[in-house]
Amino acid sequence: EAGVAQSPRYKIIEKRQSVAFWCNPISGHATLYWYQQILGQGPKLLIQFQNNGVVDDSQLPKDRFSAERLKGVDSTLKIQPAKLEDSAVYLCASSLIGQNEQFFGPGTRLTVL
Amino acid sequence: SQQGEEDPQALSIQEGENATMNCSYKTSINNLQWYRQNSGRGLVHLILIRSNEREKHSGRLRVTLDTSKKSSSLLITASRAADTASYFCATANDYKLSFGAGTTVTVRA
Repeated sequence: EAGVAQSPRYKIIEKRQSVAFWCNPISGHATLYWYQQILGQGPKLLIQFQNNGVVDDSQLPKDRFSAERLKGVDSTLKIQPAKLEDSAVYLCASSLIGQNEQFFGPGTRLTVL
Repeated sequence: SQQGEEDPQALSIQEGENATMNCSYKTSINNLQWYRQNSGRGLVHLILIRSNEREKHSGRLRVTLDTSKKSSSLLITASRAADTASYFCATANDYKLSFGAGTTVTVRA
C-alpha cells in the first residue's frame, strides 16, 4: 500500500515570497491533516479536512496560510507571504474516517531566509 | 499550545538496555498515542491506549496510562540501534491529536 506522498521534500525561499506544498493521502483516507513542526517541537495541527470540507482550521494563520482539498483527495498548503518564523517541516497525514491512527508523509522542510 | 509534555527531553542508553519515557498532559482525553520519528522523516504510529485502559503491549513496547495523574509512560525493552529516534506522545480528542515536544532516544552500540 502506498503511503502519504508529499512534495517537494525541501524548499528554500526568501521572506515575503510564496510557497506551496502538495500532499496525496493514502487511497481511501477521507481525513487529511496538515501539521507544522518547528525544530525541537512536536507537530502542531494547522488544518483538518474531511473529504473536501474543513473540520478544523483554528490554528491556521489565515492572513498568510491557505489550504484546499478541492476534489477530496490531494491537498495543497500555501504560504503567502512567508516569514522567517515559518521555517519548519510541514507534515501531511491522513486517516480513515472514525479511526484514530494517523499516517504521516515524509514532510517538506521549508527554510525561509 | 501543546497538550503533552515528555520527560526526559533526551535519553542515551546502551544497546540491550530498556528505555523509559514519560508523558504528562492537562485535559481529559479519548486516547493517547505514541509515535516515533526518525531523523528527517515522518512520524510512525507505534501504539494507542484508550482512556479506559491501564496498560498495553506491542512487541517490545509497553505503554501505561494513569488518567488520575494524567500521565503515560512508554517502555522500550531490549533496545536496538534502530530504536534511535524521537518519540512523541499525542493526546487525542475527537480524532484531533496534540503532540508533546518529544523525547530523543539514542541507542549506543
